[in-house]
Parts: sequence; structure tokens; C-alpha cells
Amino acid sequence: GESVGLHLPTLSVQEGDNSIINCAYSNSASDYFIWYKQESGKGPQFIIDIRSNMDKRQGQRVTVLLNKTVKHLSLQIAATQPGDSAVYFCAENSNRDDKIIFGKGTRLHILP
Amino acid sequence: DAGITQSPRHKVTETGTPVTLRCHQTENHRYMYWYRQDPGHGLRLIHYSYGVKDTDKGEVSDGYSVSRSKTEDFLLTLESATSSQTSVYFCAISDAGDTGELFFGEGSRLTVL
Repeated sequence: GESVGLHLPTLSVQEGDNSIINCAYSNSASDYFIWYKQESGKGPQFIIDIRSNMDKRQGQRVTVLLNKTVKHLSLQIAATQPGDSAVYFCAENSNRDDKIIFGKGTRLHILP
Repeated sequence: DAGITQSPRHKVTETGTPVTLRCHQTENHRYMYWYRQDPGHGLRLIHYSYGVKDTDKGEVSDGYSVSRSKTEDFLLTLESATSSQTSVYFCAISDAGDTGELFFGEGSRLTVL
């Protein structure tokens, strides 16, 4: 697979602690939001999504929170594990088109 | 894993030469996307397709063209490659345009000298 040496903001978290990754979006017309995880050498993988009529959505060990007032999205990962080490991207979509636009990403680094 | 293959996986070429990257899917998904990934920019949408012969521009379409003559193949062409097009290119597919569950290929690294 391919990877890119990204100069990204990095979040360092102790193994077992919770992680919170934040994302600000700019398009007020966006009504669908997604989090992706990209491990080194691989393409991004879908984690969880949320529509704009919701404030919170939970998955397995992950929770996405949406604050439309301030155009802010966050991904919470419970009990962070070494396998969570990756770059995390938020993405947004407007139902007016089929474009899915990605943010710049945050690197999550797990401390032993 | 979703059946997506990109070719070539690595290519080195010279400025001014044409380059075509191919994305092939076996999932019969309607939507196909080309993104490029660069340091400091994350993933940026180049072009996408919402059906055979139906394509549209993304965020960074200048210098790129695409074609989709059949469901399974989405071609990205750089008519005259420039050094600024050195990047990792990812193809993605989806069976619905209004959901974000894209399935990505493994990427193609292009170096333009």
C-alpha cells in the first residue's frame, strides 16, 4: 500500500485512555459527516458517520459528536489501543452533490 | 476487502509526458472517485463519477481528466504531467452518493521528475 509522510497535528494518548480528535468544518450546507482512519501504507477506512439531524452517534468503542452551531465534529475513542494508531480524517458531504470532502487529518500516537 | 485495484501502483515519469492511472472495481458500485494525498493537504477530490459516462469535477481538477466507459473502470489522465502532480493517488468507490462509506484502493504513487 501507499502512505504519505504527512506533516499533521499529532495527538499522543496513553494506552487505555480515551482519545478525542476534533475537526472543524467550513461548509454550513454540509449535512452528512464521516470519520475515516488511515493506517500506514493503506487507504482510508470508514469508521463512523452522522447526519446533521443528530448530535451524537455511537459505535463500537467510538462516538461521534456534532455541534452544528460552531461547525465542529469530534471523534471519541474509548480505551485507546495500539491498533488505533493511525491518521484520522473527518469528511463532509452535502446532499446537493455527491462530493465527499476530507479534512487535513490528525495523527493519533499511542503511548505505551 | 472491497474489490478495488489500482494500476500502476508506482510510476516515475518526466514532466510533459501523459500518464493514465486506472481504477478497477468488481463491486458494481455506481460511484467512483479519484483523490490525491499530499503532505499538509490531506485527501483532495480530483474528479468523481456517478455513473457510466457521468463525471464531475472535484476540488483540484485542473490538469486532470477522467473517463468512465464502463461501470468497473475509472481512468484518471494527466495529459502533460507536471512536478506539482507528484502525489499518491487514491481511487474510491461507493454504492450511494449520499453516504460517506467509501471503499479505497491501496493507492498509486506517482513521481514526476
